[in-house]
Formats: sequence, C-alpha cells, structure tokens
Amino acid sequence: GAGVSQSPRYKVAKRGQDVALRCDPISGHVSLFWYQQALGQGPEFLTYFQNEAQLDKSGLPSDRFFAERPEGSVSTLKIQRTQQEDSAVYLCASSLSGQGLNTIYFGEGSWLTVV
Amino acid sequence: AQSVTQLGSHVSVSEGALVLLRCNYSSSVPPYLFWYVQYPNQGLQLLLKYTSAATLVKGINGFEAEFKKSETSFHLTKPSAHMSDAAEYFCAVSEAAGANSKLTFGKGITLSVRP
Repeated sequence: GAGVSQSPRYKVAKRGQDVALRCDPISGHVSLFWYQQALGQGPEFLTYFQNEAQLDKSGLPSDRFFAERPEGSVSTLKIQRTQQEDSAVYLCASSLSGQGLNTIYFGEGSWLTVV
Repeated sequence: AQSVTQLGSHVSVSEGALVLLRCNYSSSVPPYLFWYVQYPNQGLQLLLKYTSAATLVKGINGFEAEFKKSETSFHLTKPSAHMSDAAEYFCAVSEAAGANSKLTFGKGITLSVRP
C-alpha cells in the first residue's frame, strides 16, 4: 500500500479482555516499530523487528504485551488481560532497511480505550 | 541514555508571525535529531532531520532547525506562520544510524495559529 496501515483504528475493550492490533507496513520495508502514545505524551518505543526477527523488545511494559511478525511483513501487537493504563494510541512505523538512517514512516495509529 | 525536553505544552502565534518551538536533548553519543508533526487523527509526519551533515537543516513546509552542540538544542523555526501549521510537534533523538534507529520523543508542543 501507499502508507503504513493499522487496524482497527479505534478499539474499546473491557478490562481483562485481550486485544490484537494489526500493522501493514509499506511494502518491502524491512524495519518495523511499535510505539505507545499516552494522552498528552510523546510516543514511547515498544519493540522493533528487522524482517521477522524481533531484535529489541525492551520497551514492552509487561509480559501482557506480545508482538510478532511471522513472515516479515504484517505485524500484530497483542495485549492480554487489558488494564486501564493500557489506554493509548498504538503507533506502527516502518522503514526501508535496517542500514543507514532511512526515514521512518508512521501509521495513523490504533486508539485503544480500556473501560 | 538519550532524552528530549520540550518546554511548555502550547505555543500560540499570529498568522504571519515567527514560529519558534524549542527542543533540548541529552545524548551520550553524537545524536541524530528529528522533528515530526502530527495533525489531528493522523500519523506522525517527518518535518526534517539532522544527521551530522549541515547544522542548519531545512525541511518541508518552510520549517528549518539548527543543531547547536554547545547548547544541546535543536529548535524548530518558521519565519511566517500559516493557519495550516496548527498541529502538534514532536522533537525526537536517536543514537543509532543503523538497524535499530529507535526514537526517543519529547512530550510534544501544540502550535495554535491565530488569524
């Protein structure tokens, strides 16, 4: 596609429910990032993939958060047993390669509200 | 560890006036610095980036920023504000140019433009 696509755009989950957020990066992009943006804050790094390999997951806030990119393209961020503090916008981003300072392109985000 | 400070949360200027959005960074290595803009309900869009070439960086929509190592600053300016510049602006730093170019963002500044 023309840009990074995320779905769903909006999700309301009851506390304790599991959610899955999908990211379709720009075709051919090797690097994929997930960020979490709480209300009134800047985005915070969650995890990074190079192709299918998850090279950095240091930003995942708890073991309830899990991300995968099994075929090196589409990625899914899964949050188990959601809590109110998980309410945020989840941004996916991709870049062409893992070498050099390629521009990182962001999707429009998935807005998660936990009630 | 790297960090970004954006003082204040809101800047208001008149149309045609100078725009100045401040950003100070902390980094243990020579940094790569970025400004992103976020319009309502849209993803982050790269305005400009500093990658250790020229210290004065020109970006899209008439914005520019100057890297000042002695002041650890990377302030964003535009000589004449336009109504369409109203948005949220984020400064970000990265310490890596390679595979894991994860970004550390500031909290963001909301720019309002008065007619």
